[in-house]
Amino acid sequence: AQTVTQSQPEMSVQEAETVTLSCTYDTSESDYYLFWYKQPPSRQMILVIRQEAYKQQNATENRFSVNFQKAAKSFSLKISDSQLGDAAMYFCAYRSAEEPGGNEKLTFGTGTRLTIIP
Amino acid sequence: EAGVTQFPSHSVIEKGQTVTLRCDPISGHDNLYWYRRVMGKEIKFLLHFVKESKQDESGMPNNRFLAERTGGTYSTLKVQPAELEDSGVYFCASSQLRDGQWKGPLHFGNGTRLTVT
Repeated sequence: AQTVTQSQPEMSVQEAETVTLSCTYDTSESDYYLFWYKQPPSRQMILVIRQEAYKQQNATENRFSVNFQKAAKSFSLKISDSQLGDAAMYFCAYRSAEEPGGNEKLTFGTGTRLTIIP
Repeated sequence: EAGVTQFPSHSVIEKGQTVTLRCDPISGHDNLYWYRRVMGKEIKFLLHFVKESKQDESGMPNNRFLAERTGGTYSTLKVQPAELEDSGVYFCASSQLRDGQWKGPLHFGNGTRLTVT
């Protein structure tokens, strides 16, 4: 079974600075997907960024980028120019590529609560 | 477009009582998922519907939990009888059905916070 580990329960960063959230995972599969989801306080969880394991290029979405190290099974999220609206719980998640078509069965980490300091 | 809606947002019940959680997915989303987060722990998959059929219920903890999706629209998750360890946040998510193609992310609801005392 796959596991996802987020070793930082809480992180804080000064507004406009850069912060990196860590995520490691364990799997015996070679093809899979990795995700970062964000849940702002009292709001819905939304997808921040997605990485396909067979792609070597790190995914980026505006101020959000990942450092995907497949051999090390590491998938960290970098947030540049942090903004107050980035304050949220961030969850790292894994999905096997072998799931039957349409099954978004995700394995999540325990989350990292990110605080932005004005 | 309306998002995934969950009701109630909070529920406090006593051990041994029954609670029913409801999820309305985004219109047109055939995939519907239930996940649960116990305090301080990871979010865990419970089950997956495709339309009205249970595709994968491998995450359901025990037979006190019953999920239904009659007519392939909204879904309910009933816990009967509730135990203390059932406390947590129950998330519902939906997505479009795909045939091996990425068709967008999971859309999550706000969750239902269940407290069993």
